[in-house]
Amino acid sequence: EAGVAQSPRYKIIEKRQSVAFWCNPISGHATLYWYQQILGQGPKLLIQFQNNGVVDDSQLPKDRFSAERLKGVDSTLKIQPAKLEDSAVYLCASSLGWGPGADGNQPQHFGDGTRLSIL
Amino acid sequence: AQTVTQSQPEMSVQEAETVTLSCTYDTSESDYYLFWYKQPPSRQMILVIRQEAYKQQNATENRFSVNFQKAAKSFSLKISDSQLGDAAMYFCAYRPTGANSKLTFGKGITLSVRP
Repeated sequence: EAGVAQSPRYKIIEKRQSVAFWCNPISGHATLYWYQQILGQGPKLLIQFQNNGVVDDSQLPKDRFSAERLKGVDSTLKIQPAKLEDSAVYLCASSLGWGPGADGNQPQHFGDGTRLSIL
Repeated sequence: AQTVTQSQPEMSVQEAETVTLSCTYDTSESDYYLFWYKQPPSRQMILVIRQEAYKQQNATENRFSVNFQKAAKSFSLKISDSQLGDAAMYFCAYRPTGANSKLTFGKGITLSVRP
């Protein structure tokens, strides 16, 4: 099966500019996650979708970050305006989100991420 | 709040030897899941092994096995017969049971394999 697709792979922008990342999850996966991974740290969950609804966005800096999953399939994450501290790898992941194991045992499948550098 | 601690930033192992990566966590939950993920330079996080807290038997996946000590809240990963392809960052992660529960990662450990 095809994995989680993300684009672009790399992005370099200046601070105060805007940027958007795209993610296409594995077909049939209802749950989609966006993570931020700062250099030297583990990924931190930014937002979690179940179909097209937001389940958890408690760690999303809502003054500058936004995300949507309008049709319950692919998703975009936007930063506007970008700050220097937003330099990180942005990972998208998906999981089935239903059926046995939906309580947390279902594995999350990750994409290759987008490396964002802010100048 | 749950926390995951990986205190060793780097480790090195000789090819074909065995290495153990340490992880501790803090939680007040009695049932949860623990995971080890591998992240090679390609950046894709790959699930290596997982453990359900209610199971006393340690999980194994080919050359990978865990030592799960629930009382001590310890979850170490043992890699046997290390291969050059095992070189990567390894992340320990915790996830409570319950719908839409959140995965919490440690800071990771960089494993290098010497030929």
